[in-house]
Amino acid sequence: QQNVQQSPESLIVPEGARTSLNCTFSDSASQYFWWYRQHSGKAPKALMSIFSNGEKEEGRFTIHLNKASLHFSLHIRDSQPSDSALYLCAVTPNAYKVIFGKGTHLHVLP
Amino acid sequence: EAAVTQSPRNKVTVTGGNVTLSCRQTNSHNYMYWYRQDTGHGLRLIHYSYGAGNLQIGDVPDGYKATRTTQEDFFLLLELASPSQTSLYFCASSDAGGRNYAEQFFGPGTRLTVL
Repeated sequence: QQNVQQSPESLIVPEGARTSLNCTFSDSASQYFWWYRQHSGKAPKALMSIFSNGEKEEGRFTIHLNKASLHFSLHIRDSQPSDSALYLCAVTPNAYKVIFGKGTHLHVLP
Repeated sequence: EAAVTQSPRNKVTVTGGNVTLSCRQTNSHNYMYWYRQDTGHGLRLIHYSYGAGNLQIGDVPDGYKATRTTQEDFFLLLELASPSQTSLYFCASSDAGGRNYAEQFFGPGTRLTVL
């Protein structure tokens, strides 16, 4: 069974800071790598995904993937209070199953 | 955008009670999923299905049954509810193998309390 671990469990940053969230996985054959965001009282919603090694940027958000190190990360530039949420990383070992990490609680202070 | 609805949104029952949670998706996705979310455990997969009449066992299936009656409808059944099943339950759908590779579209969730 794939093991997906996130760090840190909780993070508090000031508005405008650069935030980094980490995720490690155990199966090097995993195919797609996701970050989901869940605001308080809401459902998780996909934020970004990456398939191949390297970096992908969408606005203030960037994903880094290093399959050899079994690691991927999410970086948020110019963090905003509206970014405060639970961030879930997820790994897809195949086309139909997703395995989620336990999440990182991010709090951005105004 | 994908639309997934769940009912009820909140449910309180007693130990030993029967509970049915309902989920409907209107995106023509082939896969549907039931998850539970608990503090310290994240999202855990209970059951999933790739079409009407199909059921696949997830990672935490004990105490749960599920049934997919149509492409759109997926039900989670707790026949003898226990306090350990108090949780937030999410249904999701996915166009597995489609352009958005296994992206999960979640419903709003059902908060279940077993007294």
